[in-house]
Amino acid sequence: GPKVLQIPSHQIIDMGQMVTLNCDPVSNHLYFYWYKQILGQQMEFLVNFYNGKVMEKSKLFKDQFSVERPDGSYFTLKIQPTALEDSAVYFCASSRGLVNTLYFGAGTRLSVL
Amino acid sequence: GEQVEQLPSILRVQEGSSASINCTYENSASNYFPWYKQEPGENPKLIIDIRSNMERKQTQGLIVLLDKKAKRFSLHITDTQPGDSAMYFCAASGNSNNRIFFGDGTQLVVKP
Repeated sequence: GPKVLQIPSHQIIDMGQMVTLNCDPVSNHLYFYWYKQILGQQMEFLVNFYNGKVMEKSKLFKDQFSVERPDGSYFTLKIQPTALEDSAVYFCASSRGLVNTLYFGAGTRLSVL
Repeated sequence: GEQVEQLPSILRVQEGSSASINCTYENSASNYFPWYKQEPGENPKLIIDIRSNMERKQTQGLIVLLDKKAKRFSLHITDTQPGDSAMYFCAASGNSNNRIFFGDGTQLVVKP
């Protein structure tokens, strides 16, 4: 089936550093998402992105977070600076439309020390 | 309030029995209801979905029911196996201006 690729699978950084999580969505999908999941808990919506713009963001999407997809390349989530509470698995997802199936990447496990 | 509520949060069943997970939604315009299964260390994967033009859908030991009047939908796993142990998420979407909303998940444990 359609694949969403996430790079890297695991990232370990020191608190206060910047980190960029990369996502290669399904090629014909138009909507892109980031979710945060702390071990075995719920999928927490961060942000969705369409046509080069943020459509909606949650309270978890702090000022230190930003997303972009320059020139149709990777859809990225940047956290600058990172905090200890940012440690989690971050899932990227994409869909053809808002009312279509979301396909999730394998996730990036972020460990902030 | 939450757009999608999911219960129970944890469900323990004996192998071979059935398991049911229930969700309710707020937005009466919702018309697409996918279910995702997430195994430990993996990403959520779509296992079955139903649209609002149907009340029931069945595939490979999974049954989903949709009651639009009550704004309720449910997943039923018949003849559970240890491999069914996972986290299950329901979701609802359907307004062209509104994204998909997930329930908080149900941890299903199938005991041998």
